[in-house]
Amino acid sequence: EVQLVQSGAEVKKPGESLKISCKGSGYSFTSYWIGWVRQMPGKGLEWMGIIYPGDSDTRYSPSFQGQVTISADKSISTAYLQWSSLKASDTAMYYCARVIAAGYYFDYWGQGTLVTVSS
Amino acid sequence: QSALTQPASVSGSPGQSITISCTGTSSDVGGYNYVSWYQQHPGKAPKLMIYEVSNRPSGVPDRFSGSKSGNTASLTISGLQAEDEADYYCSSYTSSSTVVFGGGTKLTVL
Repeated sequence: EVQLVQSGAEVKKPGESLKISCKGSGYSFTSYWIGWVRQMPGKGLEWMGIIYPGDSDTRYSPSFQGQVTISADKSISTAYLQWSSLKASDTAMYYCARVIAAGYYFDYWGQGTLVTVSS
Repeated sequence: QSALTQPASVSGSPGQSITISCTGTSSDVGGYNYVSWYQQHPGKAPKLMIYEVSNRPSGVPDRFSGSKSGNTASLTISGLQAEDEADYYCSSYTSSSTVVFGGGTKLTVL
């Protein structure tokens, strides 16, 4: 069974750094892209970017390029989303999801990680 | 890149059919047969309902169907059921090798 299990909720202050994780199981982690999606409170889905754990090839939405870093450790089947300096506007639910390369659609999703940034 | 355009809300009675539109450009919806649709219930992760315009993943009822004409894709739900009440999002591959989502449509089953 394909599963993506994300790390738990985080409460941070503006300016702090953060790295959240997404662990894949039940499939060949290095053979599928993994993507990240943001959902701000009460808002829609936003595509942030994707990574191919096999070779760490990464693609970002222009809206998120330079704002976050997507990485992966294939030895432990885990993808990451990282911020160096959080802002209040980063408060959101973040989902990871497995990507089907042909159309870049997401077939399996993690449960989401809620990030709250507040002073 | 701008979000794809969806109606903010649609509604229908049980047993009826509804259609949700998703309008983009020739650089996304119109240029590729890589439109997908997701269902999201409150507090839950999204669920893939349609991929590559009109294909249903295993386990998705055949009441859900997708189509595309030009720069506009559509999701049709026939025989509406109470459990179909949710938010629905379209997405499309783009010419920039990224993906853009629609703004989402809230479906209310009356």
